[in-house]
Amino acid sequence: QSVLTQPPSASGTPGQRVTISCSGSSSNIGSNYVYWYQQLPGTAPKLLIYRNNQRPSGVPDRFSGSKSGTSASLAISGLRSEDEADYYCAAWDDSLSVPYVFGTGTKVTVL
Amino acid sequence: EVQLVESGGGLVQPGRSLRLSCAASGFTFDDYAMHWVRQAPGKGLEWVSGISWNSGSIGYADSVKGRFTISRDNAKNSLYLQMNSLRAEDTALYYCAKDMQGAVAGTLFDYWGQGTLVTVSS
Repeated sequence: QSVLTQPPSASGTPGQRVTISCSGSSSNIGSNYVYWYQQLPGTAPKLLIYRNNQRPSGVPDRFSGSKSGTSASLAISGLRSEDEADYYCAAWDDSLSVPYVFGTGTKVTVL
Repeated sequence: EVQLVESGGGLVQPGRSLRLSCAASGFTFDDYAMHWVRQAPGKGLEWVSGISWNSGSIGYADSVKGRFTISRDNAKNSLYLQMNSLRAEDTALYYCAKDMQGAVAGTLFDYWGQGTLVTVSS
């Protein structure tokens, strides 16, 4: 059961900028780092952003993350066909019953 | 190169048991916490269980508490998930995931395996 809310879909044409939102609460996004994962069709999730806005080595700088209060965003600039995937936000939650929470997921389509 | 390879999935009847394994390589296994995350067909991601580097801290999602047991063998660079009393709603692709630190607290996962499929059906 997802605790973080994302729009189910987003789309853009090649070269455009697409933004995905992730809404949480004070116990997760509001007090902990946000992570973003990219899941290409038929593959395992891949870490895209950690600690709100840090990119692992190898992740293009077209991907950027931000956080404000209890919400976070992932922006993809210069959209490319290979960016078509599902994107999930995630965070640690201070609630001991569900320590790791994921977003509902956003399907990005490149038109 | 970090590699996580899951195994042990399959078709099992409701109420039966299954043991998943994850073989890790390419990093110092006993420095990091490890987790199991699952994804039901066509659905999102759900954290199942996590274990700290020395097995001193273990956590479970409410949905599996009392039925699943996570463990690790640092000498074998392996992570396990013993799943008992399986239900239809446990049907999912089970991923092994490496934490970014040794404790089960605050940080999330930087590497994932390809997953092993568990299907619970009569």
